[in-house]
Amino acid sequence: GENVEQHPSTLSVQEGDSAVIKCTYSDSASNYFPWYKQELGKGPQLIIDIRSNVGEKKDQRIAVTLNKTAKHFSLHITETQPEDSAVYFCAGMNSGGYQKVTFGIGTKLQVIP
Amino acid sequence: SAVISQKPSRDICQRGTSLTIQCQVDSQVTMMFWYRQQPGQSLTLIATANQGSEATYESGFVIDKFPISRPNLTFSTLTVSNMSPEDSSIYLCSVAFLSSYEQYFGPGTRLTVT
Repeated sequence: GENVEQHPSTLSVQEGDSAVIKCTYSDSASNYFPWYKQELGKGPQLIIDIRSNVGEKKDQRIAVTLNKTAKHFSLHITETQPEDSAVYFCAGMNSGGYQKVTFGIGTKLQVIP
Repeated sequence: SAVISQKPSRDICQRGTSLTIQCQVDSQVTMMFWYRQQPGQSLTLIATANQGSEATYESGFVIDKFPISRPNLTFSTLTVSNMSPEDSSIYLCSVAFLSSYEQYFGPGTRLTVT
């Protein structure tokens, strides 16, 4: 089955700086890679996703890149703000069959004002 | 997207008892899932709730411990049976649509077993 590795496990940045979280996956058949943000006491929120036929996707201050050959994908947050502080999970899914998603271990991002 | 609610939001239960968690969605969805998230950990899929048939369980999870119902396309329940302190966790419901890969999560149920 799929195995998704995520790093770093914790990340502290100054407000206004950029944050990068990296993930690798093992199943070459995986073709969908969502990113979730989980604030304390809440369920994970889908913030951006990318499909395997796309190399990069942007939405305002966040972007995701995908390197299918290397089986790497990354989340980039620019101009970080204190409200970006949360735990971020990457995930991978093989859309064949039902939509079972495999999650990384999570990255706790702290944005220091 | 979808609006998902879970009941209860939290509970404290005694060992040996059972708790049923409800998940309600504001629209008909193809797929419903139940996850467990232990404190400070990632999400682990317990099972896929299938409408009108038995749930599909992941390795390490069994129906006797986590019976699941899904009577229609907008509602599902997860029961945590014969609870022990090791069952203390956050239980999350999620949904997905046939037309999209996107999966959305409910707010979670925080369970503490004493």
